[in-house]
Amino acid sequence: NAGVTQTPKFQVLKTGQSMTLQCAQDMNHNSMYWYRQDPGMGLRLIYYSASEGTTDKGEVPNGYNVSRLNKREFSLRLESAAPSQTSVYFCASSGSLLTEAFFGQGTRLTVV
Amino acid sequence: RKEVEQDPGPFNVPEGATVAFNCTYSNSASQSFFWYRQDCRKEPKLLMSVYSSGNEDGRFTAQLNRASQYISLLIRDSKLSDSATYLCVVNDNDMRFGAGTRLTVKP
Repeated sequence: NAGVTQTPKFQVLKTGQSMTLQCAQDMNHNSMYWYRQDPGMGLRLIYYSASEGTTDKGEVPNGYNVSRLNKREFSLRLESAAPSQTSVYFCASSGSLLTEAFFGQGTRLTVV
Repeated sequence: RKEVEQDPGPFNVPEGATVAFNCTYSNSASQSFFWYRQDCRKEPKLLMSVYSSGNEDGRFTAQLNRASQYISLLIRDSKLSDSATYLCVVNDNDMRFGAGTRLTVKP
């Protein structure tokens, strides 16, 4: 049972490049989340999906788009990467919006 | 005012000490609450849920005070392995994290 799987684990981008971070969960969870964590700071919610077919903005959605491809997968896209998007990105899932979340191992993204 | 606020610490305590963390939240309609633990450069992991009646798991006790809008975590008889960052989470249909409180337990 893999839980929440994120790919890639590490990525270096040049300013202006685009990329998609992938996230998949095998726990049959309804809700999924994308967070970013900057050095010495807590997690900030980028987007979340309460259930398949729905997505909502979190605290810091600017510069990102998401797709809830199906119940298992929730991807995060950076259309034109900026150095300010250098961060560690975590995907998480939960049974519902009110239950505890389980996290992937993170993607360390550097934009140069 | 931030939605979820924590004392950032750091807390440096000797082994065996008791340490308490508080977390305040602004949305009185928040419905569920959790404490997570995060080790350096790792993903957060659930430590415990926080229930209205308070709950205990071994050396860890969590409390919720809805009237004052805060949750707390008490760690008794702290161990070296408790060194980590502790994150409170307040959930009102989107899971919001506090910035975390860093704990270092020293021999």
